Amino acid sequence: GENVEQHPSTLSVQEGDSAVIKCTYSDSASNYFPWYKQELGKRPQLIIDIRSNVGEKKDQRIAVTLNKTAKHFSLHITETQPEDSAVYFCAASVSGYSTLTFGKGTMLLVSP
Amino acid sequence: EPEVTQTPSHQVTQMGQEVILRCVPISNHLYFYWYRQILGQKVEFLVSFYNNEISEKSEIFDDQFSVERPDGSNFTLKIRSTKLEDSAMYFCASSEALNGQGRPEAFFGQGTRLTVV
Repeated sequence: GENVEQHPSTLSVQEGDSAVIKCTYSDSASNYFPWYKQELGKRPQLIIDIRSNVGEKKDQRIAVTLNKTAKHFSLHITETQPEDSAVYFCAASVSGYSTLTFGKGTMLLVSP
Repeated sequence: EPEVTQTPSHQVTQMGQEVILRCVPISNHLYFYWYRQILGQKVEFLVSFYNNEISEKSEIFDDQFSVERPDGSNFTLKIRSTKLEDSAMYFCASSEALNGQGRPEAFFGQGTRLTVV
């Protein structure tokens, strides 16, 4: 089955800096890659996703890149703010409607 | 904005007891899922459900687990004889699908924290 590795497990940045979280996946059939943000004690919420026919997608301060050949994808957050502090999970899915396989999460701490 | 809702928010049960976790998916969604998250760990897939039957399940989803859609709105997860290691946050999720079209993202409920004592 699919295996998703996520790094780093924790990331501390100063407000205004950029943050990058990286994931790799094993199943070349995976074609849908969402990123979820989970604040303490709350549900995971989708923040951005990308399909395999796209190499990069951007939404304001958040961007995701995908390298299908290398089977890795990354989340980029620019101009970080304290409210960006949360656990971020990457995930991969074969069809988009099938099971999501999650990475282990990255705890992002943005210091004012 | 439509949301996936789950009840109860917190369930405490004794080991060996049966529990039923309830979910109301978003009304026009057709794919339903259960995930669990042990405290401090990643979200793990349990089962997916489509067209009134299980479409995928993980190795975690053993004979102690079952899912049901008893009516047009509820989607339930039953654990027959709970174990201490079943203690976790259980998330229900749903996604839309229409003949393979529609946005694939899964929307998560707020979770049910299950504590087995």
